[in-house]
Amino acid sequence: AQSVTQLDSQVPVFEEAPVELRCNYSSSVSVYLFWYVQYPNQGLQLLLKYLSGSTLVKGINGFEAEFNKSQTSFHLRKPSVHISDTAEYFCAVSSINDYKLSFGAGTTVTVRA
Amino acid sequence: ETGVTQSPTHLIKTRGQQVTLRCSSQSGHNTVSWYQQALGQGPQFIFQYYREEENGRGNFPPRFSGLQFPNYSSELNVNALELDDSALYLCASSFSQAESLQETQYFGPGTRLLVL
Repeated sequence: AQSVTQLDSQVPVFEEAPVELRCNYSSSVSVYLFWYVQYPNQGLQLLLKYLSGSTLVKGINGFEAEFNKSQTSFHLRKPSVHISDTAEYFCAVSSINDYKLSFGAGTTVTVRA
Repeated sequence: ETGVTQSPTHLIKTRGQQVTLRCSSQSGHNTVSWYQQALGQGPQFIFQYYREEENGRGNFPPRFSGLQFPNYSSELNVNALELDDSALYLCASSFSQAESLQETQYFGPGTRLLVL
C-alpha cells in the first residue's frame, strides 16, 4: 500500500513570491506521482504527473515538481504566484501496477496582495 | 472534447435513506473511479469500474455499491445513509488498455452530499 504525507497544511504567501509545497510518500513498489489542485467548490484539476523519465516535471500554470526517489519526495514549486493560485493542493500516489490514487490531506495555499 | 460531468451538484438526504449519484466519463475513457472527500481531507478511493465490472475497492462497506453502463457512465449508490457519509463525492474517468494498464484519472466537479 502507498501513503502520502503533505508536510504543510497551510501556506500563506505574498503575490509574486515563490512557493514550495512539500510531499513525501511511502511505498514498497515503484510509483506514479501526481499533484492536483482544487479551487473552492470545484473538483480536482491535474497540475502535473511523474510517470518515468526526467525527475523534473513541468505542469500547467507555471508549476513544476521534482521527484526524488532517495528521499521519497515530490515537492511542488512555483517561482512567482498569483492571487488566482489560491486553492487547495493535493499530492497523490499510485503504484505502477495499481490504479488507486492515495491522496495526502492537502495544503491550503493563500496568496495575498 | 467533453469532460467528466456529475449529477446532481448538491443533495440533502436524511439518515437511513438511499442515494444515487451519477457520472458521465470523458469522451474516449472507459474506466470510472469514485472517491469520497470528507470536509478538510483528501479524497479516499471507494471503487473503480472497468468494462462494467468492479475492478478494485477501497475500505468502504458493502452499502456503497456501483454500476457502469455500456456507454461507460457510472452510478454510485449508498444505502442506509449515515451522518458520516456527508462529503463531496468525486468521479474520475480514465482510459485503460487493460485492468492494470491505466492512464491518468481526470476528475469531475463532484456531488456534495449532506446527510441530516
